[in-house]
Amino acid sequence: KAGVTQTPRYLIKTRGQQVTLSCSPISGHRSVSWYQQTPGQGLQFLFEYFSETQRNKGNFPGRFSGRQFSNSRSEMNVSTLELGDSALYLCASSYGRAGVNEQFFGPGTRLTVL
Amino acid sequence: AQSVTQLGSHVSVSEGALVLLRCNYSSSVPPYLFWYVQYPNQGLQLLLKYTSAATLVKGINGFEAEFKKSETSFHLTKPSAHMSDAAEYFCAAHQFYFGTGTSLTVIP
Repeated sequence: KAGVTQTPRYLIKTRGQQVTLSCSPISGHRSVSWYQQTPGQGLQFLFEYFSETQRNKGNFPGRFSGRQFSNSRSEMNVSTLELGDSALYLCASSYGRAGVNEQFFGPGTRLTVL
Repeated sequence: AQSVTQLGSHVSVSEGALVLLRCNYSSSVPPYLFWYVQYPNQGLQLLLKYTSAATLVKGINGFEAEFKKSETSFHLTKPSAHMSDAAEYFCAAHQFYFGTGTSLTVIP
């Protein structure tokens, strides 16, 4: 079974731009969660999608949004980029809801905002 | 509100020595607890998880963790460190709430 894939792996943007990150979950997995990882902050939960519906949301501003498609693939969008958005963005998928089921993580997208 | 605290952002042990990585949680409900490992330039991989079936949980690569409700702790241990154990370790509660991570260095 192929693992979780994230594209692109690396991105460089400038302040004020917007960016879209993509995540393809493991086949059959219906839950996709997104996390922001920065040094010293660890992983911070952004949101979880299950069957195309946002089920849980972390404490991030509205500039961060996401969606999930019928094939469970998910995208995350960040508008009006700020320097502080530079981070590794991780996507994770699970068969059932992420709260109790094991999550499988992708390698991440490294976003650098200049 | 739920949160996870990992004591010690950096831990160094000698090869063959005991590994102890500390995790404390705060939760108003019995938690599901997880330990993940992250190797450089890779995503996270599940080491083990606690779901209230047994307080001592065994995971992959010789790691285990003990759930202690009275101490609200879920510390990760391994009897003998190996060079390949050098990585970042994350404790998580209810999957969404992660600690800030502990970087493990193994000294030859």
